[in-house]
Amino acid sequence: ETGVTQSPTHLIKTRGQQVTLRCSSQSGHNTVSWYQQALGQGPQFIFQYYREEENGRGNFPPRFSGLQFPNYSSELNVNALELDDSALYLCASSLAAGWGANEQFFGPGTRLTVL
Amino acid sequence: AQSVTQLDSHVSVSEGTPVLLRCNYSSSYSPSLFWYVQHPNKGLQLLLKYTSAATLVKGINGFEAEFKKSETSFHLTKPSAHMSDAAEYFCVVSLSGYSTLTFGKGTMLLVSP
Repeated sequence: ETGVTQSPTHLIKTRGQQVTLRCSSQSGHNTVSWYQQALGQGPQFIFQYYREEENGRGNFPPRFSGLQFPNYSSELNVNALELDDSALYLCASSLAAGWGANEQFFGPGTRLTVL
Repeated sequence: AQSVTQLDSHVSVSEGTPVLLRCNYSSSYSPSLFWYVQHPNKGLQLLLKYTSAATLVKGINGFEAEFKKSETSFHLTKPSAHMSDAAEYFCVVSLSGYSTLTFGKGTMLLVSP
């Protein structure tokens, strides 16, 4: 069984640029959630995708957007990068939305640095 | 809305002594509660979860937690710390039936020889 993988592992961008982060979900999982973990903080929920549709969103501006593909892999896109976007971005997959779905399996994360 | 408060940002113990990491939660409805561990440069790993079955939950690596509704607490314990337990621990709440996780700010566990 393949776990959750994320790419790239590290990324450096400058303010105003755009970035795309990628996630492959665990085999058999159809739900992907993205979290932002700033230094010294717990992860914060960005949004979730279930069967290619957004299925919930946290308190993040519209310049944070995402996609889920038919194979359930996912992308997180951030436009107009700001210094405060520097963080570890975590992807988590789970079996399905709804009851019992809240056991999520996390990838190792992508460390984004915005200069 | 739900939230969690981890009462200690850092906990230091000696190897072989008990571990107690404290967590209080707030939830309007019946919550699911989790503890995750994060080792440096590694992803989050689920230690244990509570989903309205037994109030004493046993997890991996000798950890356990007790759900106390009257105290709105879900403290994590281990009888004897190992050096390999040094990591950051997150208490997490979710509304049952929903898959959005709300994390606490984390407790860094330091284990000295």
